Amino acid sequence: EDKVVQSPLSLVVHEGDTVTLNCSYEVTNFRSLLWYKQEKKAPTFLFMLTSSGIEKKSGRLSSILDKKELFSILNITATQTGDSAVYLCAVDPYQGGSEKLVFGKGTKLTVNP
Amino acid sequence: DVKVTQSSRYLVKRTGEKVFLECVQDMDHENMFWYRQDPGLGLRLIYFSYDVKMKEKGDIPEGYSVSREKKERFSLILESASTNQTSMYLCASSFGTSEQFFGPGTRLTVL
Repeated sequence: EDKVVQSPLSLVVHEGDTVTLNCSYEVTNFRSLLWYKQEKKAPTFLFMLTSSGIEKKSGRLSSILDKKELFSILNITATQTGDSAVYLCAVDPYQGGSEKLVFGKGTKLTVNP
Repeated sequence: DVKVTQSSRYLVKRTGEKVFLECVQDMDHENMFWYRQDPGLGLRLIYFSYDVKMKEKGDIPEGYSVSREKKERFSLILESASTNQTSMYLCASSFGTSEQFFGPGTRLTVL
């Protein structure tokens, strides 16, 4: 069974801290890994990773994939209160034309002023 | 910008009622998805569709059905609502292998 596990489940930090969120996966046919940010509404897309070792960056957020060890990390530097959200990791386990994703349970990040 | 809209943000229904949740996307995406999201359980796929009139069961289809008569619209139907279907329902769409774009969600309460 395809599985995505995120850790930690929750995290509380102070503004300015750097955080690392983890995502490990077990899927039969890996195609891509995606990160989403969910505040009080719909998840919004952050990154899609398909190749091992290539870092994707967007401002203070960055992510990298290790296909050999089957995990990804999401880094947030100089955290701000607006980074408080649930961060979701999802994997596309290519299944012959089906485009569904398998989601982890999320990491709830709280950034205190 | 891709826009995925859902018919209601909040809905309260009674046990046994038939419930329709509507989702519309405006980007001509072929794939559409319905998820439910519960604390501690994350996002779980109920049904998805990769073309008009095509549907496939996700991980938790029991108690639900879907309809996709037009490409832009994907409906989730609760034939006879039960209290254990109280949840946040999220619709999403995607094109090919691109990321999924989510609607704002419908928080359904079944009394």
